[in-house]
Amino acid sequence: AQKITQTQPGMFVQEKEAVTLDCTYDTSDQSYGLFWYKQPSSGEMIFLIYQGSYDEQNATEGRYSLNFQKARKSANLVISASQLGDSAMYFCAMREGGSGGSYIPTFGRGTSLIVHP
Amino acid sequence: GAVVSQHPSWVICKSGTSVKIECRSLDFQATTMFWYRQFPKQSLMLMATSNEGSKATYEQGVEKDKFLINHASLTLSTLTVTSAHPEDSSFYICSARTSPGLAGGFGHTQYFGPGTRLTVL
Repeated sequence: AQKITQTQPGMFVQEKEAVTLDCTYDTSDQSYGLFWYKQPSSGEMIFLIYQGSYDEQNATEGRYSLNFQKARKSANLVISASQLGDSAMYFCAMREGGSGGSYIPTFGRGTSLIVHP
Repeated sequence: GAVVSQHPSWVICKSGTSVKIECRSLDFQATTMFWYRQFPKQSLMLMATSNEGSKATYEQGVEKDKFLINHASLTLSTLTVTSAHPEDSSFYICSARTSPGLAGGFGHTQYFGPGTRLTVL
């Protein structure tokens, strides 16, 4: 079974608008971490934001925020005030922990975001 | 922030030759390094996990004799694609991590290299 599901293969957004990229996850662990990475056409994986399973508040990093809904097992990325430079692939990832946890992140299939003027 | 470098950034080689890719953590000691493979428009696929001084752990379906991984020091891991063939053409990305038990063990302790694009003719 897929541990990380990103249902949007591609998204379009107009510059300066906000966009939400969906991510749902599947785990039976109580301790886990959720990540979002950006991969521009150059290929480098750029860390954006992290949410721990025990964090009560949604993580925020500048224009990025993570809408963490634990009961629904979703960790959507919200990008506010989109910029042309935000056009890239976005990957959601989860790292499970606790006893028997691998600490190795599992990646979703990614969402291609295109920001147009 | 922590920096991971990869060399070369791209390589073109003939079928049957071997190619070595280096992954270095520049300003921290990486107890664990990961090697990923990514096909165009697809997600990262974990190939293997290597811990310094021990043999790499390969994921199911990854040929350990074809993809040789050496993690000889806390700052360097190498991936050698032996007898490369066109189907090995891909984007190879390494990442490095400090001990998960340290502060931030669930935090952002995994740092990615810029990737190496391998084309086998």
